[in-house]
Amino acid sequence: DADVTQTPRNRITKTGKRIMLECSQTKGHDRMYWYRQDPGLGLRLIYYSFDVKDINKGEISDGYSVSRQAQAKFSLSLESAIPNQTALYFCATSVSGGQGEQYFGPGTRLTVT
Amino acid sequence: GNSVTQMEGPVTLSEEAFLTINCTYTATGYPSLFWYVQYPGEGLQLLLKATKADDKGSNKGFEATYRKETTSFHLEKGSVQVSDSAVYFCALSQIKAAGNKLTFGGGTRVLVKP
Repeated sequence: DADVTQTPRNRITKTGKRIMLECSQTKGHDRMYWYRQDPGLGLRLIYYSFDVKDINKGEISDGYSVSRQAQAKFSLSLESAIPNQTALYFCATSVSGGQGEQYFGPGTRLTVT
Repeated sequence: GNSVTQMEGPVTLSEEAFLTINCTYTATGYPSLFWYVQYPGEGLQLLLKATKADDKGSNKGFEATYRKETTSFHLEKGSVQVSDSAVYFCALSQIKAAGNKLTFGGGTRVLVKP
């Protein structure tokens, strides 16, 4: 079984719709992250959470919100989707006290028409 | 701020050829350095890491050495296989910085032909 899972894996939605992407992990890590990947830009950090009560904005948080429902679950929401949010979204986890490496889910491909 | 620069692809090679992907970084202090690999349709997998100067990370025949004097972490493999076709990302992390965030390069696509 995968340690970091994401649902859905693919989603097509229309401009203005609200959408939620979900991430679950069984690694027991306390830290979780949301990234988006665009061609040629690598991955950019949207939000991160060091524990259930600690949520922080990343470099591109505008238009997104998150919820850390439990240590193992971290959701990303697009309140009103727009076409330039079309991208591949990744969830990642890490452990505090580690050497900085993060472990990634398989990704969600989101298309906003 | 921190930044990572890696060579643009695509890099096209024949099987058993030598692969080098250049990566340089800008950061204050002493970051940890990583190479991640993304196979088609999959998420990123940690390939190797190095946490201090002169450390060599290695895995699956790939190697990279943390060179602080040249702020580089070039990835090498002596004999590539078709199964090594993927996108490779260089990244850095600073443990003591706020967020413990990974800063990624733009990725290098590698295509190995039989």
